[in-house]
Amino acid sequence: AQKVTQAQTEISVVEKEDVTLDCVYETRDTTYYLFWYKQPPSGELVFLIRRNSFDEQNEISGRYSWNFQKSTSSFNFTITASQVVDSAVYFCALSGTGANSKLTFGKGITLSVRP
Amino acid sequence: GAVVSQHPSWVICKSGTSVKIECRSLDFQATTMFWYRQFPKQSLMLMATSNEGSKATYEQGVEKDKFLINHASLTLSTLTVTSAHPEDSSFYICSARDLSDSTYEQYFGPGTRLTVT
Repeated sequence: AQKVTQAQTEISVVEKEDVTLDCVYETRDTTYYLFWYKQPPSGELVFLIRRNSFDEQNEISGRYSWNFQKSTSSFNFTITASQVVDSAVYFCALSGTGANSKLTFGKGITLSVRP
Repeated sequence: GAVVSQHPSWVICKSGTSVKIECRSLDFQATTMFWYRQFPKQSLMLMATSNEGSKATYEQGVEKDKFLINHASLTLSTLTVTSAHPEDSSFYICSARDLSDSTYEQYFGPGTRLTVT
């Protein structure tokens, strides 16, 4: 069985602060994908990143960066110099790599960035 | 590319009526589509997996007679909530897998907000 744990439920920061969203996962699969999605108040899921379990390189995209640590089964997401527009719910998700694989979502973290 | 649409984006219906939600892959073919439900301040929960030309596979606890899923073509799946009740009020999101994508990634629609009065 797959499981994704996002222990933080709500985080509030002041604009320009850095913030890290934690994600811990469990799976018996040897190969899998990890994802982060952003869900703004409009409700539409915005894809942020997909990471293959074979690729442990950290990734940076603008103000966003991701730290994948297979040894601790974690896939943390850091927003640098946060902005008000970053306010949203962020979901970490896990899937297998086969044709019948399903996405398992964490409970989500509500991030509020105050001006 | 990889755009998924849902119609309607929001719907209000009276208790006891049925409502149909459409999910379309606009620029790719999808043999598999997924239906999720999201209650306020909760995560997405998979309801069912829909495969083109065959019966949907429902997750445990989801009533298949209440949530009818039809995937008649490679670009369209529909979810019909039959005899809707206020507790069915939720945000319904579909996703689709691109037939030609070997990574089997899911592309999400914008969601449909259902309110049952």
